[in-house]
Amino acid sequence: DADVTQTPRNRITKTGKRIMLECSQTKGHDRMYWYRQDPGLGLRLIYYSFDVKDINKGEISDGYSVSRQAQAKFSLSLESAIPNQTALYFCATRGGGLNTGELFFGEGSRLTVL
Amino acid sequence: AQSVTQLDSQVPVFEEAPVELRCNYSSSVSVYLFWYVQYPNQGLQLLLKYLSGSTLVESINGFEAEFNKSQTSFHLRKPSVHISDTAEYFCAVSEIYSGGGADGLTFGKGTHLIIQP
Repeated sequence: DADVTQTPRNRITKTGKRIMLECSQTKGHDRMYWYRQDPGLGLRLIYYSFDVKDINKGEISDGYSVSRQAQAKFSLSLESAIPNQTALYFCATRGGGLNTGELFFGEGSRLTVL
Repeated sequence: AQSVTQLDSQVPVFEEAPVELRCNYSSSVSVYLFWYVQYPNQGLQLLLKYLSGSTLVESINGFEAEFNKSQTSFHLRKPSVHISDTAEYFCAVSEIYSGGGADGLTFGKGTHLIIQP
């Protein structure tokens, strides 16, 4: 089983719908991240969380919200999806304390907004 | 704040030829450096990393990267590529705190390595 699991892996939805992408991890890491990948733009950070009570905005948080339900679970929501939110979304984790910054990624959730 | 520049968005190369994917970074403090690989329809996997010590680091599948502090570069090389190396490659940097830990990663925009038969 994967250490970082994302659901759903693929989703097609319509403009204006609410969408939730879920992430769970078994690595025991405190820190969790949501990134968005677009062709030619690389990965851009949406939100990150250092523990259950700590949520931080990333580079492109507008139009998104997150919830850290437990140490192992971090979900990303689009309250009213729009077509330019069509992208590949990645959840990632890393340990806290004296670590190298290395991230461990899920396999991605491909979202298409029509 | 740190930044990463991958100079080539796409690199076509013939099978069994050598390849170099370029990466330069900018930071006011010491950093850790990473290369991640993304095969088609998959997530990102760590390919190799520089933390300290020898400036030349190697992966298990024949890639190597050399940290050059004076040129703030971490270029990725392979002497002979295979069709299976076709993928997107991302360079990433993590700044080191004064206490020794590191913050999250900043990624370059990626280089698509295309292997031609």
